[in-house]
Amino acid sequence: EAGVTQFPSHSVIEKGQTVTLRCDPISGHDNLYWYRRVMGKEIKFLLHFVKESKQDESGMPNNRFLAERTGGTYSTLKVQPAELEDSGVYFCASSPRLSGNTIYFGEGSWLTVV
Amino acid sequence: DQQVKQNSPSLSVQEGRISILNCDYTNSMFDYFLWYKKYPAEGPTFLISISSIKDKNEDGRFTVFLNKSAKHLSLHIVPSQPGDSAVYFCAASDPGTYKYIFGTGTRLKVLA
Repeated sequence: EAGVTQFPSHSVIEKGQTVTLRCDPISGHDNLYWYRRVMGKEIKFLLHFVKESKQDESGMPNNRFLAERTGGTYSTLKVQPAELEDSGVYFCASSPRLSGNTIYFGEGSWLTVV
Repeated sequence: DQQVKQNSPSLSVQEGRISILNCDYTNSMFDYFLWYKKYPAEGPTFLISISSIKDKNEDGRFTVFLNKSAKHLSLHIVPSQPGDSAVYFCAASDPGTYKYIFGTGTRLKVLA
């Protein structure tokens, strides 16, 4: 069974440009999460989809970030325009149920804004 | 406001000895706790979990202890092996918001 996959694994863009990160959750997992880790800090929650609906987007930093999950399968996270402080590792995770279970992470998308 | 705290950023242990990683939380409503291990340039990998209705869960060399009154959990690794060297994250599940909240991690180094 394939795990959570993320693309691209690394991205270096200039300030002001746009980047789109993609996440394919484990097949059959309705719950999809986006997290971000800035160097040395906690893995910080960004948002949570249940199927195609946004359950919670309280962790999204600002309106430069847009997440979608059309059809309840893969998800994209777009940053437009990117700023220097957006650099970090963006992790996607999925789980079969809402709570009280394990969430499984992808390898992460490393974003560097220069 | 950190709801899940790992106050030790790093820990060094001799191979064969016990590693104890600690985690404190503030929200008594958290109902499920997890530990993840993370190697450099990889995503976090699930290690072990515990429900709030239990106080101990064991899986091979890994044991997680939960003290609800103290809002504290710990991960014991015994015996520690060099391959255990990684960053360990504690996480808690909030049944009210369905969020999983993570700590800042503890870097474990097991010395051969």
